[in-house]
Amino acid sequence: KNQVEQSPQSLIILEGKNCTLQCNYTVSPFSNLRWYKQDTGRGPVSLTIMTFSENTKSNGRYTATLDADTKQSSLHITASQLSDSASYICVVTYASGGSYIPTFGRGTSLIVHP
Amino acid sequence: DAGVTQSPTHLIKTRGQQVTLRCSPKSGHDTVSWYQQALGQGPQFIFQYYEEEERQRGNFPDRFSGHQFPNYSSELNVNALLLGDSALYLCASSIIRGQPRLNEQFFGPGTRLTVL
Repeated sequence: KNQVEQSPQSLIILEGKNCTLQCNYTVSPFSNLRWYKQDTGRGPVSLTIMTFSENTKSNGRYTATLDADTKQSSLHITASQLSDSASYICVVTYASGGSYIPTFGRGTSLIVHP
Repeated sequence: DAGVTQSPTHLIKTRGQQVTLRCSPKSGHDTVSWYQQALGQGPQFIFQYYEEEERQRGNFPDRFSGHQFPNYSSELNVNALLLGDSALYLCASSIIRGQPRLNEQFFGPGTRLTVL
């Protein structure tokens, strides 16, 4: 069964600190992995995308890693800001009958305190 | 470019009623996908429309149906509403041509449906 598991479920950090969010998946055949940021009451916004051959991708203070062998990914946030408070969702896409189907994790809820 | 728009933003219905949610895709996009996101959960894929046809479907009952119009906008219909249908319904648009493998979906703000 195609599944995406994220940890921790929630995280509270102080402004300026770094943090790392984890994503494990069993999705197959793998096509790509995205990290999304979802503010409360809003739709998700893509942060990074990685294909099978990529093992790291940065977008400003966000750095995603991918280990396709162990089927694990992480999202590292550097020098956190209050605006980073949001849900971070890992999405793994697999190929099926010529289409590409995204499988969403439940997300990690991040709260950044001043 | 207004991006993906959805209407209404909030909706309250009672059990057994029917509801229609609407989505306009980002300019230039031809594919619309619908997701259900329960509180505290990740989005669950309902179905995807391309060329006015349902192309892929997730594990949702036939009470959930949709439509795509020639201008690529889409509707999600839910019949015989249940309490468990209360959720944020997200619409996402994308371009199926080009590089579908790296197909990025742009999400709308969602419609919050409450079933009483």
